[in-house]
Amino acid sequence: DAKTTQPPSMDCAEGRAANLPCNHSTISGNEYVYWYRQIHSQGPQYIIHGLKNNETNEMASLIITEDRKSSTLILPHATLRDTAVYYCIVSAGSGTYKYIFGTGTRLKVLA
Amino acid sequence: DADVTQTPRNRITKTGKRIMLECSQTKGHDRMYWYRQDPGLGLRLIYYSFDVKDINKGEISDGYSVSRQAQAKFSLSLESAIPNQTALYFCATSDPAGPLGTQYFGPGTRLLVL
Repeated sequence: DAKTTQPPSMDCAEGRAANLPCNHSTISGNEYVYWYRQIHSQGPQYIIHGLKNNETNEMASLIITEDRKSSTLILPHATLRDTAVYYCIVSAGSGTYKYIFGTGTRLKVLA
Repeated sequence: DADVTQTPRNRITKTGKRIMLECSQTKGHDRMYWYRQDPGLGLRLIYYSFDVKDINKGEISDGYSVSRQAQAKFSLSLESAIPNQTALYFCATSDPAGPLGTQYFGPGTRLLVL
């Protein structure tokens, strides 16, 4: 599975969009990009995933570059409750067991 | 009620003791996983199971064993606990028929080995 690179920390003002980048330059053609977040020491929570098209759900948007070597998670209107560690993971989706968690990006939303 | 539950939520034990962490799920998923998380680090996979008769080692299985008693239950045992097994342990489930690869995590068990 491909490795990912994320900035260790970011700040975002409450109400503004939070844009969290992820590099995955060694991603394979059958690998999906997943985003999870972990609030304090709770169990990680699924946010969104995508293969090559941009995706949006009620929590966030995922923008994947055309070459698929990087992606950005967008929280459109960050709130204090979005303060968490965000993990970008690439994995081959259905049939795979292997999530490789890096250290993620610690997002702090500021009042 | 939570879909993935873990017991106990906190545990203190002594070096050399055998302990068991339990995980139950009501999601009806076939696949279950055990991870550990050390402070400031991401999660690492210990064991995983794709159905009741299937057990597989993850990246850090040494010192651990598991039992899949039923589709809904997956237990992790530390045969002889040591201090460097002090960590936060998470159970997770997934459904291959659901959103591809999505895993659902329990609330975690905080283990301290003295």
